[in-house]
Amino acid sequence: NAGVTQTPKFRVLKTGQSMTLLCAQDMNHEYMYWYRQDPGMGLRLIHYSVGEGTTAKGEVPDGYNVSRLKKQNFLLGLESAAPSQTSVYFCASSYTTSGENEQFFGPGTRLTVL
Amino acid sequence: SQQGEEDPQALSIQEGENATMNCSYKTSINNLQWYRQNSGRGLVHLILIRSNEREKHSGRLRVTLDTSKKSSSLLITASRAADTASYFCATVRLSNDMRFGAGTRLTVKP
Repeated sequence: NAGVTQTPKFRVLKTGQSMTLLCAQDMNHEYMYWYRQDPGMGLRLIHYSVGEGTTAKGEVPDGYNVSRLKKQNFLLGLESAAPSQTSVYFCASSYTTSGENEQFFGPGTRLTVL
Repeated sequence: SQQGEEDPQALSIQEGENATMNCSYKTSINNLQWYRQNSGRGLVHLILIRSNEREKHSGRLRVTLDTSKKSSSLLITASRAADTASYFCATVRLSNDMRFGAGTRLTVKP
């Protein structure tokens, strides 16, 4: 099992450009999450999904959109990138709600917006 | 906003010593989880402790939870160089509302 994988690993964007980060999990998990991690801070939840076709806002959703068309995939989109979105992005998944189960994390995507 | 705050921010010890990290939080929780992050990698789950539990063990790890003081501690016994990593506590109040602290950076010198 690959667990949770993220594509790409690194990306550099110019302000105003758009991009999509892809997260895939092969554990048949219902729940998937997108976080960002900034220096000196813990992870902050951007959006999450409790199942195929559903999405919900987390703590810092502004400037991001997500889609969960297939159970195994969770996409994070930046429509018009801003320097404030420079960060490391982590995807995670869990069998049920994070309130009951551990989350499994991908290796991260390091994004720089110039 | 962060729910948990780890203390200390950084800890450096010799191999074989014990390492203790603390986490304090502000509101009532359903459970608290500890994660480890090696440099440049994703987080790995260590232990989940529920609000009605006081202590849990997993190998060389011991986690305590004091809900009256709104605090938790992670003890790593007989530390190894491979334990060098950042350790995060995450508090869960409601379903899917998991908040991470800023982490403790542990360095274990061989």
